[in-house]
Amino acid sequence: GENVEQHPSTLSVQEGDSAVIKCTYSDSASNYFPWYKQELGKRPQLIIDIRSNVGEKKDQRIAVTLNKTAKHFSLHITETQPEDSAVYFCAAIAYSGAGSYQLTFGKGTKLSVIP
Amino acid sequence: GAGVSQSPRYKVAKRGQDVALRCDPISGHVSLFWYQQALGQGPEFLTYFQNEAQLDKSGLPSDRFFAERPEGSVSTLKIQRTQQEDSAVYLCASSQLGGSYYEQYFGPGTRLTVT
Repeated sequence: GENVEQHPSTLSVQEGDSAVIKCTYSDSASNYFPWYKQELGKRPQLIIDIRSNVGEKKDQRIAVTLNKTAKHFSLHITETQPEDSAVYFCAAIAYSGAGSYQLTFGKGTKLSVIP
Repeated sequence: GAGVSQSPRYKVAKRGQDVALRCDPISGHVSLFWYQQALGQGPEFLTYFQNEAQLDKSGLPSDRFFAERPEGSVSTLKIQRTQQEDSAVYLCASSQLGGSYYEQYFGPGTRLTVT
């Protein structure tokens, strides 16, 4: 099955600096890569996703890049703000047979933005 | 519109008790997923429904776990004879259509504590 590795596990940045979180995946058939933000005690919220037919996607201060050859994808947050502080999860989707597909998540990165 | 809702939000069970956790997906969403999230970890896939059909239950950790979605909307995850290792947050997610290209939206989760 799919295996997703995420680094770093914790990340502290000064307000206004950039933050980068990196993930690798194992299943070359995976074709959809979402990123979720989870604040303490809250639900995971989809913040951006990328599909395998594109290499980069941007939404305001957030961007995601995908390298299918190397099987890695990254989240970039620019001009970080204190409200960006949360745990971020990357995920990859792959078919598991019989019409089913599964999201496999990384272990998460706790981002702290220091004012 | 209304998002995914789950009830109860918190559940304390004595070891050996049975529990039932409810998920109300976004109206009209075909796909429904259950995940288990241990403290400090990413969500882990449990089971997947497309309408009322349970297409994948490969992530259910034991035969004490059972899920159903009889009318293709509301779903219930049942855990029989709860054990301490079942303590976790149980997340439900729904997606508009089947296939890997549709975003999954999460509910707030049910935090289960087994004492």
